[in-house]
Amino acid sequence: DAMVIQNPRYQVTQFGKPVTLSCSQTLNHNVMYWYQQKSSQAPKLLFHYYDKDFNNEADTPDNFQSRRPNTSFCFLDIRSPGLGDAAMYLCATSRVPAGGPTQEQYFGPGTRLTVT
Amino acid sequence: TQLLEQSPQFLSIQEGENLTVYCNSSSVFSSLQWYRQEPGEGPVLLVTVVTGGEVKKLKRLTFQFGDARKDSSLHITAAQPGDTGLYLCAGYNTNAGKSTFGDGTTLTVKP
Repeated sequence: DAMVIQNPRYQVTQFGKPVTLSCSQTLNHNVMYWYQQKSSQAPKLLFHYYDKDFNNEADTPDNFQSRRPNTSFCFLDIRSPGLGDAAMYLCATSRVPAGGPTQEQYFGPGTRLTVT
Repeated sequence: TQLLEQSPQFLSIQEGENLTVYCNSSSVFSSLQWYRQEPGEGPVLLVTVVTGGEVKKLKRLTFQFGDARKDSSLHITAAQPGDTGLYLCAGYNTNAGKSTFGDGTTLTVKP
């Protein structure tokens, strides 16, 4: 089945120790997103790739970086995790034709990040 | 910045009751999506509404898009424990090229 896969599902890292979360998709969607979600809150968009074009949200800290080496894969790098970065990180994809009226997003299961 | 307000934020009901969740904005959206998220999982798309006044039904769930495409509602009939979860609305604006998520409604249906 076509899907969005996130690895690992659970990640524990130490304060200040760089960590990378990965996302892959078999949907062949052109847009990939990274969200941060804290307990029972709405997902907060960090950045997204429209094809190869990177779009950073204005309030995303510089501590968060992303790479998309090809259509299928996207990575979230947290350079120096702080305690406040503990959260669920969600990857999502969508197929967006330019000017189209809808943006249906397909989410992965998320990676729960713990910072000790 | 486009904002979407969802209400209520929390809702706890007994199995068999009906409920309505609202999603309101002062902005016009090209389309609106509803998602349900279970604990420890990613949100799952339930429906997309595009046309003002549009009504869509998904079993016991009824979704409506406001005539002006600024608001939406989700009505659940005869709620079941399996309906428990976080319900999120997301409005998409073609010009902005991205979606705005509401703050979510946490629904608990007790058996």
